[in-house]
Amino acid sequence: QSALTQPASVSGSPGQSITISCTGTSSDIGRYMYVSWYQQHPGKVPKLIIYGVSDRPSGASNRFSGSKSGNTASLTISGLQAEDEADYYCGSYTTSSTLVFGGGTKVTVL
Amino acid sequence: EVQLLESGGGLVQPGGSLRLSCAASGFTFSSSPMNWVRQAPGKGLEWISALTASGGTTYYIDSVRGRFTISRDNSRNTLFLQMNSLTTEDTAVYYCARESPRGDCSYDYWGLGTLVTVSS
Repeated sequence: QSALTQPASVSGSPGQSITISCTGTSSDIGRYMYVSWYQQHPGKVPKLIIYGVSDRPSGASNRFSGSKSGNTASLTISGLQAEDEADYYCGSYTTSSTLVFGGGTKVTVL
Repeated sequence: EVQLLESGGGLVQPGGSLRLSCAASGFTFSSSPMNWVRQAPGKGLEWISALTASGGTTYYIDSVRGRFTISRDNSRNTLFLQMNSLTTEDTAVYYCARESPRGDCSYDYWGLGTLVTVSS
């Protein structure tokens, strides 16, 4: 099972919106609505910020939103803030009954 | 409050074995599918294994199948990962993670992780 494809880095200025893509295949993202996103600050534990493609768990900022089209999922961060600087990972359930993560995207706030 | 606490990591030589534990509290452990996820130094997250709530069905990534065994003791609220035939490629922080009760394959709680270093 190959990792999902994410851009290595994305950057934006405070207040701007940025979008992180996550590309899979018809055996994972394209097949299921089980896409999740995680935020990980340096030296910290990953935190769930989006589940079920576009739902937010309690405690996650409403500046995070998710979507999916075909084999590609996306995470949008609106009103970018300094605290959003972190690594972001997508994850998807697969037809092999496993989970696969993306390679991760480092978000930099300029 | 949900808590997951891993232990058992350390330095091991190539070809050696380790057994990781994850002590769970604050939720009904026996109802929760559980997972192990690892992160090599400076690298991304890698899902490696899952176990159903009853412990009856296991899942593994190809690179660890046949070498690692996931198990659980619901009477002790503890998840395990037996790791054999370790290689330097297995060096990573190992996290246990709970699958959300929503059943949507997202991981809503993670432990702090335990570091496994495979080196001679």
